[in-house]
Amino acid sequence: GNSVTQMEGPVTLSEEAFLTINCTYTATGYPSLFWYVQYPGEGLQLLLKATKADDKGSNKGFEATYRKETTSFHLEKGSVQVSDSAVYFCALGAGGFKTIFGAGTRLFVKA
Amino acid sequence: EADIYQTPRYLVIGTGKKITLECSQTMGHDKMYWYQQDPGMELHLIHYSYGVNSTEKGDLSSESTVSRIRTEHFPLTLESARPSHTSQYLCASSDRNEGQRETQYFGPGTRLLVL
Repeated sequence: GNSVTQMEGPVTLSEEAFLTINCTYTATGYPSLFWYVQYPGEGLQLLLKATKADDKGSNKGFEATYRKETTSFHLEKGSVQVSDSAVYFCALGAGGFKTIFGAGTRLFVKA
Repeated sequence: EADIYQTPRYLVIGTGKKITLECSQTMGHDKMYWYQQDPGMELHLIHYSYGVNSTEKGDLSSESTVSRIRTEHFPLTLESARPSHTSQYLCASSDRNEGQRETQYFGPGTRLLVL
């Protein structure tokens, strides 16, 4: 079946450090891939998405590339800020109604 | 910007009470969902709906029930709340016309504490 695996947190970085949060997936067919972010006390919001292989999603300095050969969709940011502290969820949309969410990775950024 | 609303944001109630968590969206989305989440942790789908008069149970067994009488409204009801129901409840919607590209839009959540 379809599944998403993302790296366990928490991830703790200093401001301006480089961020990578790994995400791999298993799926039949050609899923869409998403990164959602959840700030403290809020619901999830879409950060970026990619709908086919080799697509790169980007938003607010974050990027992720849909790699079919490695079944990965790693999230990266070149220079994190304190305001990026949140929980990040990798997700897969494989048709029908269901989106499969990863377990979430908590990011702490220290000033 | 998402137009999906949940009320109340916070609720503290005693065991055995009946409660309804409200969720409304103004985007005309056919699909709606309820997730249960311990704060910052994994999401568990408990109910979903394809449209009016369509409701299904999700992956996680839940003692709650839902209804979908209007497209924009998807309330969740607990007939008799227990401390094990203490959690955060997130409502979401998506547009089926996007097919596999569908983005889910989330409400801000209701944080429930049952004493």
